[in-house]
Amino acid sequence: QVHLVESGGGVVQPGRSLRLACAASGFTFTDSGMHWVRQAPGKGLEWVAVISYDGSKKYYADSVTGRFTISRDNSNNTLFLQMNSLRAEDTAVYYCAKSDTDGFGVDYWGQGTLVTVSS
Amino acid sequence: DVVMTQTPLSSPVTLGQPASISCRSSQSLVHSDGNTYLSWLQQRPGQPPRLLIYKISNRFSGVPDRFSGSGAGTDFTLKISRVEAEDVGVYYCMQATQAYTFGQGTKLEVK
Repeated sequence: QVHLVESGGGVVQPGRSLRLACAASGFTFTDSGMHWVRQAPGKGLEWVAVISYDGSKKYYADSVTGRFTISRDNSNNTLFLQMNSLRAEDTAVYYCAKSDTDGFGVDYWGQGTLVTVSS
Repeated sequence: DVVMTQTPLSSPVTLGQPASISCRSSQSLVHSDGNTYLSWLQQRPGQPPRLLIYKISNRFSGVPDRFSGSGAGTDFTLKISRVEAEDVGVYYCMQATQAYTFGQGTKLEVK
């Protein structure tokens, strides 16, 4: 049974940094690409970033390019999102999600962690 | 960027009756490998999204057969044959052919 558990959310001031983590279990983590998707309060879903199964390929939404970095630790089945230069508009629930077997869509989602950027 | 447009944005339905949601993309979603990476997700109140349908019409594991997907190219539809109370929530289409984008979401609510 696939299980994705995000952590690291909280309240942070604009311009500061935060690192999110996603602990994965129930599937072969080293075989799967992974995504971060966010949802601002009361809003829709916004894709943030994706990383390939081995970490060699990374892609980002324009809104976070240059500020966020996705990475993974395959020895510990953990996905990360390093968020720098945070802005008020980054306030959202951040979900980690597993790539599907085709490697294009996403199939399983975590419960999410809330990041609030506010002074 | 591929823009995904869903209609309607809100859909009041009667329990036991059918429901339909449309999703239109600004470009063809046919990938160079021949597949069309269009998915449908359900988000119940207070819950994370859940995959319902992938590659236009394939039901994901555990999804009831009252959910079905259809379409091609730029026009896609999610249908619920008979709405149940547990189907209340927001439905999103998502394309993964060219980067990743979501529709705005359609709120399904009971009349």
